[in-house]
Amino acid sequence: EVQLVQSGAEVKKPGESLRISCKGSGYSFTNYWISWVRQMPGKGLEWMGRIDPSDSYTIYSPSFQGHVTMSADKSISTAYLQWSSLKASDTAMYYCARHLGTMLIENRAFDFWGQGTLVTVSS
Amino acid sequence: DIQMTQSPSSLSASIGDRVTITCRASQGISNYLAWFQQKPGKAPKSLIYAASSLQSGVPSKFSGSGSGTDFTLTISSLQPEDFAIYYCQQYNSFPFTFGPGTKVDIK
Repeated sequence: EVQLVQSGAEVKKPGESLRISCKGSGYSFTNYWISWVRQMPGKGLEWMGRIDPSDSYTIYSPSFQGHVTMSADKSISTAYLQWSSLKASDTAMYYCARHLGTMLIENRAFDFWGQGTLVTVSS
Repeated sequence: DIQMTQSPSSLSASIGDRVTITCRASQGISNYLAWFQQKPGKAPKSLIYAASSLQSGVPSKFSGSGSGTDFTLTISSLQPEDFAIYYCQQYNSFPFTFGPGTKVDIK
């Protein structure tokens, strides 16, 4: 059974750093891209970027480029999303989602989603 | 960036109704369009990809159509578990973009 299990909720102060995780199981982790999606309170879905776990090549949305870093450790089938300096405006639910595969445009669609990680940034 | 719009933004429907949601892209995206369902407090669920292909395990009451710039999601007979927010998303080009969502609630 394919599963994406995300790390637990976090409460942080502005300026602090944070790394959240998304662990894949039930499939070959390096054969499927992972994307991250933000959902601010009461708002819609925003695509942040995607990582290819086989080589850690990333593509970021311009809206998030430079503010977050995506990485992956294929030895433990885990993708990460990290901030070096959080802002109050980073308060949101963050989801990871698996793509149908890699490389081909047909494989860019998502299939499975993680359960979400709630990040709260408040002084 | 490709802008995605959805209509209506919300709708009220009764059990058993046929419901259609429209999604429009600001430029042609071929059939690289997906639909998602999100219930309160839950992660989104993938319903449809490639405009009309059902994800594994998704009931056939959901169907999608369209190509180019105009797409539709249809729920053939609305059931209590279908009340949710539905989002479309284009994955033709980076950055991927979502529509603003359509909330389907009970009349």
